[in-house]
Amino acid sequence: ILNVEQSPQSLHVQEGDSTNFTCSFPSSNFYALHWYRWETAKSPEALFVMTLNGDEKKKGRISATLNTKEGYSYLYIKGSQPEDSATYLCAFFSMDSNYQLIWGAGTKLIIKP
Amino acid sequence: ETGVTQSPTHLIKTRGQQVTLRCSSQSGHNTVSWYQQALGQGPQFIFQYYREEENGRGNFPPRFSGLQFPNYSSELNVNALELDDSALYLCASSLSEVGGGGETQYFGPGTRLLVL
Repeated sequence: ILNVEQSPQSLHVQEGDSTNFTCSFPSSNFYALHWYRWETAKSPEALFVMTLNGDEKKKGRISATLNTKEGYSYLYIKGSQPEDSATYLCAFFSMDSNYQLIWGAGTKLIIKP
Repeated sequence: ETGVTQSPTHLIKTRGQQVTLRCSSQSGHNTVSWYQQALGQGPQFIFQYYREEENGRGNFPPRFSGLQFPNYSSELNVNALELDDSALYLCASSLSEVGGGGETQYFGPGTRLLVL
């Protein structure tokens, strides 16, 4: 059974501080790792799709790294702002997952002004 | 906004009833995936449709079924509703058959279903 773990489950960060959280996934038959941001009452929004080991992607103050050999990805947010408050979800896709994205339960980030 | 719409936004049904949820994909997207999200969990993959054919299915019973139409809008049908079917149902569209894999998925806002 393929399983994706995210930690921590929730996180309170002071405005202006930087933070990071983790997504762990099976390291075999890797195809892609997705990161999404989900704000309350909105649709999940794609941040990154990562496919290559060692890949690093950046979008404004948010960046992500990928280690497919050990099965983890980190998401970093630099200089947190109140609008960063959201749940951050990762999803894993493998060669033998029958078109199925396997999702973690998310990290809920709350930025304190 | 993603351009993916879902209807209705909220729905209340009783156990044993049937429900149809609708999704309108982003223009040009030929793949749609449906997910169920229970409180406190990540989305669970129900199935994926590519050009009107189901080409992937998660661990959901046959009473969960779907349709995709030539204009790439789609439906999720659930028969014989159970209390555990209460959840947020999300659809997501993408550009290719491997939409769940290497391609970005564009989500709708979801339909919240409550089964009493």
